[in-house]
Amino acid sequence: QKEVEQNSGPLSVPEGAIASLNCTYSDRGSQSFFWYRQYSGKSPELIMFIYSNGDKEDGRFTAQLNKASQYVSLLIRDSQPSDSATYLCAVNIGSNFGNEKLTFGTGTRLTIIP
Amino acid sequence: DADVTQTPRNRITKTGKRIMLECSQTKGHDRMYWYRQDPGLGLRLIYYSFDVKDINKGEISDGYSVSRQAQAKFSLSLESAIPNQTALYFCATSLGRGTYEQYFGPGTRLTVT
Repeated sequence: QKEVEQNSGPLSVPEGAIASLNCTYSDRGSQSFFWYRQYSGKSPELIMFIYSNGDKEDGRFTAQLNKASQYVSLLIRDSQPSDSATYLCAVNIGSNFGNEKLTFGTGTRLTIIP
Repeated sequence: DADVTQTPRNRITKTGKRIMLECSQTKGHDRMYWYRQDPGLGLRLIYYSFDVKDINKGEISDGYSVSRQAQAKFSLSLESAIPNQTALYFCATSLGRGTYEQYFGPGTRLTVT
């Protein structure tokens, strides 16, 4: 089992709809969860992070964490063509204070259809 | 100016050559990381450094070496480049001290022929 798993997609969503991206992780002790957006040929850009159970909202983006089921989701409301990118999920696996490393999923490619 | 810079941005080199990729940051972060990205394999950690005197191997360090010249500078070397080291290379930084957010440089596209 991979430590961080994402569906590679592509996920196609009509413009204006809600895009839902999911990520599962293997380490029940993980505390920190991140979503990065990566445009083709560009570097990953941090868009959301969540440290505790529950939801976190920032503009059109909502991150949802379900620790019992070990998955984290990213919802993008009112999807825009500019949201078309690959979304990377990252999780701290087996890390403690002073040993901060992230493990990345392979990403989900999202396409917003005008 | 960008907080994390990488040089060169693109490089084509031949098998067997030594090459150095450089990373500089103005974020004042202690932690620095080198990743490579290959299609379908995601980001894989090559080396990381938590301060100037601390260097650690990541999951794919064979064939690579690093140098942390200062808090702000972290270089990655390929001692004898081989074609399967063709990839996109990213440097990243984080504050550490219990926080995990990493911030990436623009990347270096390396081709080994």
